[in-house]
Amino acid sequence: QVQLQESGPGLVKPSETLSLTCTVSGGSMSSNYWSWIRQPPGKGLEWIGYIHYSGSTNYNPSLRSRITISVDTSKNQFSLKLSSVTAADTAVYYCAREGLSGSLDYWGQGILVTVSS
Amino acid sequence: QSVLTQPPSASGTPGQRVTISCSGSSSNIGSNTVNWYQQLPGTAPKLLIYSNNQRPSGVPDRFSGSKSGTSASLAISGLQSEDEADYHCAGWDDSLNGRVFGGGTKLTVL
Repeated sequence: QVQLQESGPGLVKPSETLSLTCTVSGGSMSSNYWSWIRQPPGKGLEWIGYIHYSGSTNYNPSLRSRITISVDTSKNQFSLKLSSVTAADTAVYYCAREGLSGSLDYWGQGILVTVSS
Repeated sequence: QSVLTQPPSASGTPGQRVTISCSGSSSNIGSNTVNWYQQLPGTAPKLLIYSNNQRPSGVPDRFSGSKSGTSASLAISGLQSEDEADYHCAGWDDSLNGRVFGGGTKLTVL
């Protein structure tokens, strides 16, 4: 059973860089795409971007200038960096695995990141 | 504003059949498959339907999905109290070259 777990700071100051890591267990990262999704409090889901285990990426156009997603297959981890954060970036951040037909079939439990001074 | 449009709320009584709609355009639902997620209060979303109408292992057959043109629907029959949750539709948008979600529908079991 594949499991994902997000980790990182729960509080980030405005204008700084948000950094999160997702650790994958119970399976290999090979042959899959791995996504980041976020959900502001009380709002819907927003796709941030994904990375293939080979390192190729695709980002949400509205966030592209501030995002970097990377992968470390030796550690079974992938990471998200979001620069120049503002209060609007406050959200629960989820990592997930892309399965059949682009579905997100395994999710982490999510981590709340608050942007505040 | 979400690219895919869902009603913000829906409701039904136990045993009833409820449907939730998801409206898009030719660049997303009209040309790609739709997935549905169930999000119970305080938890991460869970895949409910993929590829328009396929259920992952373990999802009861009370849940079904369909797609026609640029719209998709999720139907829940034999509504149960544990079905009270937020439901999100999602798909791929060719114009944006990215994944898109609906705003989510909060289902209340009366």
